[in-house]
Amino acid sequence: GENVEQHPSTLSVQEGDSAVIKCTYSDSASNYFPWYKQELGKRPQLIIDIRSNVGEKKDQRIAVTLNKTAKHFSLHITETQPEDSAVYFCAALTGANNLFFGTGTRLTVIP
Amino acid sequence: SQTIHQWPATLVQPVGSPLSLECTVEGTSNPNLYWYRQAAGRGLQLLFYSVGIGQISSEVPQNLSASRPQDRQFILSSKKLLLSDSGFYLCAYTGSIAEKLFFGSGTQLSVL
Repeated sequence: GENVEQHPSTLSVQEGDSAVIKCTYSDSASNYFPWYKQELGKRPQLIIDIRSNVGEKKDQRIAVTLNKTAKHFSLHITETQPEDSAVYFCAALTGANNLFFGTGTRLTVIP
Repeated sequence: SQTIHQWPATLVQPVGSPLSLECTVEGTSNPNLYWYRQAAGRGLQLLFYSVGIGQISSEVPQNLSASRPQDRQFILSSKKLLLSDSGFYLCAYTGSIAEKLFFGSGTQLSVL
């Protein structure tokens, strides 16, 4: 099955700086890569996603990049704010239409 | 609009007791339904998924089972809970917007 690895597990940045979270996947048939944000005690919320026919997608301060050849994708958050503090999960959708998640990155934005 | 309901929000159960968590989806038909578990401070582990009534697939062997008695109802059960069953359980679905997975509000299960 799919194996999604995510790094780093924790990340602290100063407010206003950028944050980058990286993920790799193993199943070359995976074609959809969403990112979720989970605040403490709450459900994960979809924040951005990218399909395998696109190399980059941006939505205001967040962007995702995908390298299909290398099987890795990344989340970039610019001009970070305290409310960006949360756990972020990457995921990959397999050919069997199941979503496998990375182990999460706890992002802390220091005011 | 599509919504997902999951209950209860919290549950404290003794070891060896049974479990039943319920999830329902509104606003879409024939959704794919999922149960995930999140251990404290850890990632999301897929437990079960269902593509239709009575169709259940398990991703990992465990002490739990799932059932889908109706199109938009998904139930997670156990006959005898173990300490290791503690965690945050999330129901999720994909509906009319293919691929996009939406989560329920979760159930925090503590087995003591």
